[in-house]
Amino acid sequence: GAVVSQHPSRVICKSGTSVKIECRSLDFQATTMFWYRQFPKKSLMLMATSNEGSKATYEQGVEKDKFLINHASLTLSTLTVTSAHPEDSSFYICSAMAVFTDSSGNTIYFGEGSWLTVV
Amino acid sequence: AQTVTQSQPEMSVQEAETVTLSCTYDTSENNYYLFWYKQPPSRQMILVIRQEAYKQQNATENRFSVNFQKAAKSFSLKISDSQLGDTAMYFCAFMASEYGNKLVFGAGTILRVKS
Repeated sequence: GAVVSQHPSRVICKSGTSVKIECRSLDFQATTMFWYRQFPKKSLMLMATSNEGSKATYEQGVEKDKFLINHASLTLSTLTVTSAHPEDSSFYICSAMAVFTDSSGNTIYFGEGSWLTVV
Repeated sequence: AQTVTQSQPEMSVQEAETVTLSCTYDTSENNYYLFWYKQPPSRQMILVIRQEAYKQQNATENRFSVNFQKAAKSFSLKISDSQLGDTAMYFCAFMASEYGNKLVFGAGTILRVKS
């Protein structure tokens, strides 16, 4: 299957600082990427849809000024958590949509996820 | 709105036996995709199997197969010859282009394979 790489896998930052998480599609171009947050033993919560060359679309209740998303190329989307606070500590995971021209259709592949701890 | 329901929060199975995880969904769309993802303790989301709604044939991937009943809006996952490495959280998910190709997830089922 297609490969999506997410970096860093773990990051600790001080309260009030910003931290950037990268999501890369390694062997395919992704015009659309998605960012999720996951709480322990819970399902994934979609935060926003990242569209290459345009503004991200945020889900209801997600602060766009706090969670900045940039999708500058067909293989890279970034999530920046600005002015991080302890309540932002969580597991963040990205995904990218691979569009196959054969009969496989569309499939979503996930990055490895990033653990953010704000102290 | 599209919804996905996984009615089994937790399940367990003996090694080498077969287990079926249930999933139902609700949609008014005719063209869509269904997926099963596995999330082991590492938290990596791994694609297990996918099904396109217009295909009547049930998808299979080695020990994993689905029972796709479009009229009943049911999409169960069967794991044959269960292995210890199958222990994970399993998520059923729905996707349709009419809704921006966003994945709609079920709540998940924790599967424990016992030796």
